[in-house]
Amino acid sequence: GAVVSQHPSRVICKSGTSVKIECRSLDFQATTMFWYRQFPKKSLMLMATSNEGSKATYEQGVEKDKFLINHASLTLSTLTVTSAHPEDSSFYICSARVAGVGEQFFGPGTRLTVL
Amino acid sequence: AQSVTQLGSHVSVSEGALVLLRCNYSSSVPPYLFWYVQYPNQGLQLLLKYTTGATLVKGINGFEAEFKKSETSFHLTKPSAHMSDAAEYFCAVSKMNSGYSTLTFGKGTMLLVSP
Repeated sequence: GAVVSQHPSRVICKSGTSVKIECRSLDFQATTMFWYRQFPKKSLMLMATSNEGSKATYEQGVEKDKFLINHASLTLSTLTVTSAHPEDSSFYICSARVAGVGEQFFGPGTRLTVL
Repeated sequence: AQSVTQLGSHVSVSEGALVLLRCNYSSSVPPYLFWYVQYPNQGLQLLLKYTTGATLVKGINGFEAEFKKSETSFHLTKPSAHMSDAAEYFCAVSKMNSGYSTLTFGKGTMLLVSP
């Protein structure tokens, strides 16, 4: 139980295009999902907290208009990197919190490369 | 504010040797503490966690950690390293008064296991 998936696992795009990453909780309902960014050989940095049906809460320094987060259902949250640039290349990881339990379960991550 | 310090970005051990990964935390309130493992290009897997109660916590794959409030530490140990333990390990802290709402990660320690 408590499986979180991400799609795609890897994406390469051209500079200026937008990329959407999906995060799904497969066997539980997640009232809250989290989006992290991990630079090479670095730790995870929380980008935003996404609650179902409401606007995401972004961490300081994260551009809301560049990293669009939607949490339309209890099992799906999406992160859209708009007008991507090479500096947006990174490993993006989502996690989902089990309602009523609180523990975060992590997805396998999405490797974004912007050329 | 919370913070996590992992001493040593890399730790090298021989197969069969003791594994010790150090983690110190700073928290203004009683913390929840976690250890996660990350294999290359994958998400995070929870090894173990401390919330309340017994300060010696046993996790998966033979790992354990001890919460020492007086030392503000939560070091991870394993009596005998296996080749498959080679991975990146992250210590994390969460505020207890907000459940598991947000996690603050350390910078990670890469465990290298040699034959």
